Amino acid sequence: RKEVEQDPGPFNVPEGATVAFNCTYSNSASQSFFWYRQDCRKEPKLLMSVYSSGNEDGRFTAQLNRASQYISLLIRDSKLSDSATYLCVVRQGNKLVFGAGTILRVKS
Amino acid sequence: DAGITQSPRYKITETGRQVTLMCHQTWSHSYMFWYRQDLGHGLRLIYYSAAADITDKGEVPDGYVVSRSKTENFPLTLESATRSQTSVYFCASSEFGTSGRVAFAGELFFGEGSRLTVL
Repeated sequence: RKEVEQDPGPFNVPEGATVAFNCTYSNSASQSFFWYRQDCRKEPKLLMSVYSSGNEDGRFTAQLNRASQYISLLIRDSKLSDSATYLCVVRQGNKLVFGAGTILRVKS
Repeated sequence: DAGITQSPRYKITETGRQVTLMCHQTWSHSYMFWYRQDLGHGLRLIYYSAAADITDKGEVPDGYVVSRSKTENFPLTLESATRSQTSVYFCASSEFGTSGRVAFAGELFFGEGSRLTVL
């Protein structure tokens, strides 16, 4: 079993749609959680950290469920520019473990 | 300009040759990392370094060697390249935690990647 698992997608959604991604992690001792975004053939960049109480940044909402060991990312009012691969990232000790990513395609 | 740079950006080599990928950062971040990215696997950690002269293995270290004689540089060497090492390699750096413990915020700053093809 992979340490961090994501549905690879692709998720094909129209502009304005709401879309949600889930990510599960296997190590219950994982300490911190993040969502990164990676555009095609580019380097990953931090989208947002995920806090226990849940957090929101504009159209993006991240939630953490430690009991079930999953993280979610909700994107509201999808834009064409949201098309990218979204990487779930889990910190274990002094290492960051990446999921394989979920592809999002927003179409007009 | 401040940042993290990798070179070369593209490299084609042959099986058995030695290849070195360079990584340089100007932020004086303590931590530096090398990842490889392959379809279906996502980013996998090869090696990381907590400071100059301190390195440690990641998930897939076999066939790779790293060094860190200076804080700003973290070269990755493939001693005898194999076709399975064809990949996109990303170097990253991160700030050391202010608590003084081995911890960091979690934001990795990545270089643009080095695309390596081994024929």
